[in-house]
Amino acid sequence: AQSVTQLDSQVPVFEEAPVELRCNYSSSVSVYLFWYVQYPNQGLQLLLKYLSGSTLVKGINGFEAEFNKSQTSFHLRKPSVHISDTAEYFCAVRFEGGGNKLTFGTGTQLKVEL
Amino acid sequence: NAGVTQTPKFQVLKTGQSMTLQCAQDMNHNSMYWYRQDPGMGLRLIYYSASEGTTDKGEVPNGYNVSRLNKREFSLRLESAAPSQTSVYFCASRLGQGGQPQHFGDGTRLSIL
Repeated sequence: AQSVTQLDSQVPVFEEAPVELRCNYSSSVSVYLFWYVQYPNQGLQLLLKYLSGSTLVKGINGFEAEFNKSQTSFHLRKPSVHISDTAEYFCAVRFEGGGNKLTFGTGTQLKVEL
Repeated sequence: NAGVTQTPKFQVLKTGQSMTLQCAQDMNHNSMYWYRQDPGMGLRLIYYSASEGTTDKGEVPNGYNVSRLNKREFSLRLESAAPSQTSVYFCASRLGQGGQPQHFGDGTRLSIL
């Protein structure tokens, strides 16, 4: 079955520390991978995407993610977080042959503390 | 530049009432989407529209109808609201036809008693 898993529902981290938000998927077909960020009371914004090519993808606000096909993962990283990065982060996957369907993970709440 | 605008922002309904959630985008986008967001479940696609006059069902279309009468607007209607439809509803859009949404509205928080 095709699925997306974000194991960490909450990740607390101190300001200026590095962070990694985990995303794993299950699929027998090719995938296209996305990370979205949602600030309180707002809609989602696209952070970055992997469609093909280089497995290391850089996005907005200093975030990057690496596609690891053997581990079926697409973890999001930032070397030094800021208070303003506090938000909920969603991993999403489009499975080849799935049309316009984007399957979202359940989200990870990143809380940056002083 | 407003982007994707949703109205209303909040609404409380009684079971059995009907209402229409409005969505408009001013970016000349072709594709528009309606999602619902529930705690612990991520976002799920309700309906999708690739262009004016065309709509397709998503993962959870039951209990909803949509209308794409022009390029700018994509409305979502609940004919007979049920408590299970209590959720946050997001409209989104994309320039091209197909693929992932690029811009989201700020959401409509709907409670059904």
